[in-house]
Amino acid sequence: RKEVEQDPGPFNVPEGATVAFNCTYSNSASQSFFWYRQDCRKEPKLLMSVYSSGNEDGRFTAQLNRASQYISLLIRDSKLSDSATYLCVVNYGSGNTGKLIFGQGTTLQVKP
Amino acid sequence: EAGVTQFPSHSVIEKGQTVTLRCDPISGHDNLYWYRRVMGKEIKFLLHFVKESKQDESGMPNNRFLAERTGGTYSTLKVQPAELEDSGVYFCASSQGIWANEKLFFGSGTQLSVL
Repeated sequence: RKEVEQDPGPFNVPEGATVAFNCTYSNSASQSFFWYRQDCRKEPKLLMSVYSSGNEDGRFTAQLNRASQYISLLIRDSKLSDSATYLCVVNYGSGNTGKLIFGQGTTLQVKP
Repeated sequence: EAGVTQFPSHSVIEKGQTVTLRCDPISGHDNLYWYRRVMGKEIKFLLHFVKESKQDESGMPNNRFLAERTGGTYSTLKVQPAELEDSGVYFCASSQGIWANEKLFFGSGTQLSVL
């Protein structure tokens, strides 16, 4: 079983749509959670951290459910520029705090 | 401010040859990481330097891979001899602190193709 599992998609949505991505992680000791965005042939870039209380950044909302070991990302009013691969990432947090565990990514294509 | 830079951006070599990848972290970042993505798989951790010391090399696939960070500045990752399964994108990342929620800055990667 993969440590971080995501539906690879692709998710094809029209501009303006709301789309949600989900992710599950296997290690209950995971301490930090993130969504990264990766454009084609580019490096991953931090989109947002994810907190148990939920957090919002503009059109993006992230939620964490520790009991279910589940992370979500909601994108409202999708833009063409949102097309990318979204990586669910966890960090076990003890010792090596930079050892990120990546999911395989979910591909989003926003169409005009 | 310059970001994390990696060189070369692409490398095509034959099986059995040697390749050296270089990473220059953001100035002042003590933490430097190597990650790799092979085709069809997720990005995976290789190792972590704190300054010039290896903090964790648990992700290194085998002894054909050698990472160094002399002087705690730039790092090199050498693959010798390269095998077909080593093909993939090698990312370097750096961070300033060591907190669990510390932001990592990634370089644009080196695409390695072993033929």
